[in-house]
Amino acid sequence: DQQVKQNSPSLSVQEGRISILNCDYTNSMFDYFLWYKKYPAEGPTFLISISSIKDKNEDGRFTVFLNKSAKHLSLHIVPSQPGDSAVYFCAASSESGNQFYFGTGTSLTVIP
Amino acid sequence: DAGITQSPRHKVTETGTPVTLRCHQTENHRYMYWYRQDPGHGLRLIHYSYGVKDTDKGEVSDGYSVSRSKTEDFLLTLESATSSQTSVYFCAISAGTGVYALHFGNGTRLTVT
Repeated sequence: DQQVKQNSPSLSVQEGRISILNCDYTNSMFDYFLWYKKYPAEGPTFLISISSIKDKNEDGRFTVFLNKSAKHLSLHIVPSQPGDSAVYFCAASSESGNQFYFGTGTSLTVIP
Repeated sequence: DAGITQSPRHKVTETGTPVTLRCHQTENHRYMYWYRQDPGHGLRLIHYSYGVKDTDKGEVSDGYSVSRSKTEDFLLTLESATSSQTSVYFCAISAGTGVYALHFGNGTRLTVT
């Protein structure tokens, strides 16, 4: 059973607007959440993370929000740029485990 | 770059042939992982290692084996390749879990004909 879910396979946004990518998880033992960005023919690259002791983490144009009660996290990109067009994966891990669990990805297209 | 090298980058092989993919890291990280990426499935864990000679199965381990005889090298072997194993394979490393990120190599595109 998929423990990390990204229910939107794709998203299109105008340049300069906000992109919001969503992710849900089922395992309450997860305590660390990560977002990755992937361009074609490259490996995923780490973007931003958040620990379960926080509800928000910001890094430049990227902000991740965590709602533990809803088991939901989101990535906000403001303002969106054409270079942000990529597939975004969310992932989760727990300090007590050895694995990282990934969602199926959301393909973001930023339209100039 | 996180100091991860995957080889080969591309490979075409025939059904029934054994194939070994190599991952080499220069970061001295404890954890190493093999994932495959397929459309509609995202990244799925095949096997991982939490130390030299310490490995465990992931969610899609059937048909694959791994070995880690040195900290820096993690090998993935397809004992007898099948067309369903056509995929892009990513190696990843991490210093740990809980508060550590996973860092990926650039992948190996494997085609089984």
